[in-house]
Amino acid sequence: KQEVTQIPAALSVPEGENLVLNCSFTDSAIYNLQWFRQDPGKGLTSLLLIQSSQREQTSGRLNASLDKSSGRSTLYIAASQPGDSATYLCAGGGSNYKLTFGKGTLLTVNP
Amino acid sequence: ETGVTQTPRHLVMGMTNKKSLKCEQHLGHNAMYWYKQSAKKPLELMFVYSLEERVENNSVPSRFSPECPNSSHLFLHLHTLQPEDSALYLCASRLAGTDTQYFGPGTRLTVL
Repeated sequence: KQEVTQIPAALSVPEGENLVLNCSFTDSAIYNLQWFRQDPGKGLTSLLLIQSSQREQTSGRLNASLDKSSGRSTLYIAASQPGDSATYLCAGGGSNYKLTFGKGTLLTVNP
Repeated sequence: ETGVTQTPRHLVMGMTNKKSLKCEQHLGHNAMYWYKQSAKKPLELMFVYSLEERVENNSVPSRFSPECPNSSHLFLHLHTLQPEDSALYLCASRLAGTDTQYFGPGTRLTVL
């Protein structure tokens, strides 16, 4: 059974700092690894999706990497802004398009 | 309205009530999901519908009853819930053959 762990559970940084969020998974037979953003009391917004055959994906200031052999993914956020404050969730994609989620990292970017 | 919508956004109900949550997607997708998000726990997949057929029932108690009358609409019928069922219930949709799920804003459910 796939288990996804995210470290740290919470992170507070000053504006402008570069930061890394970590995600680990137990079953390397994932089809893809997805990163989502969730604002308080809201639904999830898809940020990046890395297929199992890929090593990384980039979108603007965000870069996500995937290392299947070690069971790890990282989300790198460059030049953080207060608007980046949210909970970031990673999810491992399995067969039948099922996603297994981690508990998330609560990010606070202070002005 | 675009994307995935959910109504109501907030719901308070007693343990003996019967209520329904509604999800509607305007994206032309043909797979729909119900998730439960409780405090301090990861999102839990509850049900999956693909082409209006239920393809996943993730050991959910029978007091939760899903319904998918067409590819645009998904309901979650609730009856005799327990206080531990209080959570944010999220709906998502996906286009067959693609991996990205699009989420609605959720219904915050409180069971008294």
